[in-house]
Amino acid sequence: GAGVSQSPSNKVTEKGKDVELRCDPISGHTALYWYRQSLGQGLEFLIYFQGNSAPDKSGLPSDRFSAERTGGSVSTLTIQRTQQEDSAVYLCASSLESLAGGLRDTQYFGPGTRLTVL
Amino acid sequence: AQSVTQLDSHVSVSEGTPVLLRCNYSSSYSPSLFWYVQHPNKGLQLLLKYTSAATLVKGINGFEAEFKKSETSFHLTKPSAHMSDAAEYFCVVSGSNTGNQFYFGTGTSLTVIP
Repeated sequence: GAGVSQSPSNKVTEKGKDVELRCDPISGHTALYWYRQSLGQGLEFLIYFQGNSAPDKSGLPSDRFSAERTGGSVSTLTIQRTQQEDSAVYLCASSLESLAGGLRDTQYFGPGTRLTVL
Repeated sequence: AQSVTQLDSHVSVSEGTPVLLRCNYSSSYSPSLFWYVQHPNKGLQLLLKYTSAATLVKGINGFEAEFKKSETSFHLTKPSAHMSDAAEYFCVVSGSNTGNQFYFGTGTSLTVIP
């Protein structure tokens, strides 16, 4: 079946502008994650959605970052008043969440959105 | 707090020789451990995962990893490197002490020399 898709694949914006990044998870996956990957770095957790529960926003770096997930499916990550340090690849992942015994199911990643802030 | 450490940022091997990519994690009652691979300009792909079944886990492309609780390690190995294995590899941990989060290591860049 279709995998996780993200759009746009590349986004170039000017400092101070707002951007929206979109993620379409695999159908039926209840968990959705956003990560940021800066050049030469590992993945930095941003936010996590699980079903209808309140999202875990503990990874968002500032109040300029927000995300929503409509209808338990598509998610949008919004960055307001972008700064040059926001330049990175933003990755979305989804999974069939299993919380039995604290075990975690496999995350399936999208191709990412490369954001460049000039 | 960081819960996983990849001990080598870069590993270089000759084609046909064994590969060892090291990963240590913070102790957890029941960790789930994963290895992902990221080829240049490609998305992250799952290589293998450990979720408290057999301690020796076999993945795709001939890779395997062994969960060693006493050493809190989950090293990735392959008997014979292929040119196509050149990529970035990430060790990932999640479990009862990490909340909802998956913690990624900083990655190991594997170079395969012809």
